[in-house]
Amino acid sequence: DTGVSQDPRHKITKRGQNVTFRCDPISEHNRLYWYRQTLGQGPEFLTYFQNEAQLEKSRLLSDRFSAERPKGSFSTLEIQRTEQGDSAMYLCASSSHTGELFFGEGSRLTVL
Amino acid sequence: AQTVTQSQPEMSVQEAETVTLSCTYDTSESDYYLFWYKQPPSRQMILVIRQEAYKQQNATENRFSVNFQKAAKSFSLKISDSQLGDAAMYFCAYRGRGATNKLIFGTGTLLAVQP
Repeated sequence: DTGVSQDPRHKITKRGQNVTFRCDPISEHNRLYWYRQTLGQGPEFLTYFQNEAQLEKSRLLSDRFSAERPKGSFSTLEIQRTEQGDSAMYLCASSSHTGELFFGEGSRLTVL
Repeated sequence: AQTVTQSQPEMSVQEAETVTLSCTYDTSESDYYLFWYKQPPSRQMILVIRQEAYKQQNATENRFSVNFQKAAKSFSLKISDSQLGDAAMYFCAYRGRGATNKLIFGTGTLLAVQP
């Protein structure tokens, strides 16, 4: 197991387009988190899954954002009708129930 | 709501010297965890050290140690014998005892290590 992997690592898109990011957590981890990190800021919590259930969503997660974790394995984060303010690094992390979070390298989104 | 504040946007240290990064937090909870994470350029965030609030003893991991002052809500990180590989962004983070285990991060301190 090589840790949390995210794809794509970089995405450049035009305003108004839809984008989707994928996260593959560490295989035995049942908890999965999405964070957003903008330049000069710390990561901000977006949403949390325990197995396939989405148990918490931040108010940062507008209606244009949707996250899924079918079958409790990989997760996807989709952003519809992207805006320039969506430009950020999107981080995925996973953990077991005991709690230490392991992060992926992130997916960097640039909206032109 | 809980908040985490890192008041030092950038710090610099000479190789082999010691540096201390500051962090304060605000919470009404009595039981929680505190963490320092390291984020090297273009690399994933990794855990450096963790502290459980109910433990009075300060956590230590090799060259990394913390000064946890619960009453003052302060949680500083000391890096001894600094190495070039310590250069990175360092984030202080808080986690309550809630069900989600989500972390609340500070804004980070960029540490430069001078040879």
